[in-house]
Amino acid sequence: GENVEQHPSTLSVQEGDSAVIKCTYSDSASNYFPWYKQELGKRPQLIIDIRSNVGEKKDQRIAVTLNKTAKHFSLHITETQPEDSAVYFCAASRKNRDDKIIFGKGTRLHILP
Amino acid sequence: NAGVTQTPKFRILKIGQSMTLQCAQDMNHNYMYWYRQDPGMGLKLIYYSVGAGITDKGEVPNGYNVSRSTTEDFPLRLELAAPSQTSVYFCASSGTSGILDEQYFGPGTRLTVT
Repeated sequence: GENVEQHPSTLSVQEGDSAVIKCTYSDSASNYFPWYKQELGKRPQLIIDIRSNVGEKKDQRIAVTLNKTAKHFSLHITETQPEDSAVYFCAASRKNRDDKIIFGKGTRLHILP
Repeated sequence: NAGVTQTPKFRILKIGQSMTLQCAQDMNHNYMYWYRQDPGMGLKLIYYSVGAGITDKGEVPNGYNVSRSTTEDFPLRLELAAPSQTSVYFCASSGTSGILDEQYFGPGTRLTVT
């Protein structure tokens, strides 16, 4: 089955700097890759997603890149702000007989003042 | 729209007790999911449903059961609770593209088994 590895588990960056979180997946048939943000004590919420027919997608300060050949995708946050502090989860899924989505273990991002 | 709602918010169970976690959505979503999130860990899929009357196992189904008699409701049943089931449980739903769509999560149920 699908396996999603996420790195690093913890990341601290200075406010204003960029943050990058990386994920790899094992199932070459996976074709949808969402990223969720979970603030402390809150529910996960989708921040950006990318489908396998696209190499990059950007939404203001957030961007995601996908390398299908290498089976890895990354989240990039530029000009980080205190409200970016949270846990970020990547996920991978494929539309098939078994409709499952597999999450990475998460990255705790700390934005330092 | 209330979105995805879950009850209760908190619960303490004794070992061997049973309970049902309730989940409802008012977005007419076909796909619904149950996850557990252990401290400092990611989300593990317990069960999911692609429509009323259809359920299937996820990554960690042992010790749980589900039913989907209506589009709106997707209750999760714990039989013979064990300490290993201490976790935060999230219900989620997604639209017609299922796992290729955004998942909307409920607020979670924090369960402690002692």
